[in-house]
Amino acid sequence: AQSVSQHNHHVILSEAASLELGCNYSYGGTVNLFWYVQYPGQHLQLLLKYFSGDPLVKGIKGFEAEFIKSKFSFNLRKPSVQWSDTAEYFCAVRRDGGFKTIFGAGTRLFVKA
Amino acid sequence: DAMVIQNPRYQVTQFGKPVTLSCSQTLNHNVMYWYQQKSSQAPKLLFHYYDKDFNNEADTPDNFQSRRPNTSFCFLDIRSPGLGDAAMYLCATSRAPGLAGGYEQYFGPGTRLTVT
Repeated sequence: AQSVSQHNHHVILSEAASLELGCNYSYGGTVNLFWYVQYPGQHLQLLLKYFSGDPLVKGIKGFEAEFIKSKFSFNLRKPSVQWSDTAEYFCAVRRDGGFKTIFGAGTRLFVKA
Repeated sequence: DAMVIQNPRYQVTQFGKPVTLSCSQTLNHNVMYWYQQKSSQAPKLLFHYYDKDFNNEADTPDNFQSRRPNTSFCFLDIRSPGLGDAAMYLCATSRAPGLAGGYEQYFGPGTRLTVT
């Protein structure tokens, strides 16, 4: 069965610090990969996605993620976080062509001003 | 310009009293999904509709049902809510697989269900 593991449940950073959130998945076939963000009081929004092609994916608000197939990983990065990045971040995976998306448990990021 | 709308945002029901949650979309997407998200956990897919085709996840309890009367609306019915069904219920939509541009999901704000 597919599963998604996010390495950190809570992360606290100061503004301008670099961010890397780990995500590993278990599935042997072709996958689509996603990072979603949920700002306080708001709904889940797509941050970035990977379907095929360049494994380095750039998303909104300066976020990027790198798909490393050999490591079954899709880590999220941002060189310099801002207070407004305080949110919960979910990694998700879906079998290519399928409907079911499996989410990780989420990482709560708090950025200190 | 809301795209996926869920009503109500907060719902309180009594143990065993049927409750219906509503979702509508303005995106004209073929696929609509219902997720259950309990506190500090990942969203968990309950079922989805691809047009009129209903697809139930194997581990979704029979207590949960869904209706999709047209493209725009989808309902989640909980026939006899238990205390363990208290959660956030998320509706999402997407285009169908295979279409150009991918088919990521668009989520509504969720309905927080409390069972007393």
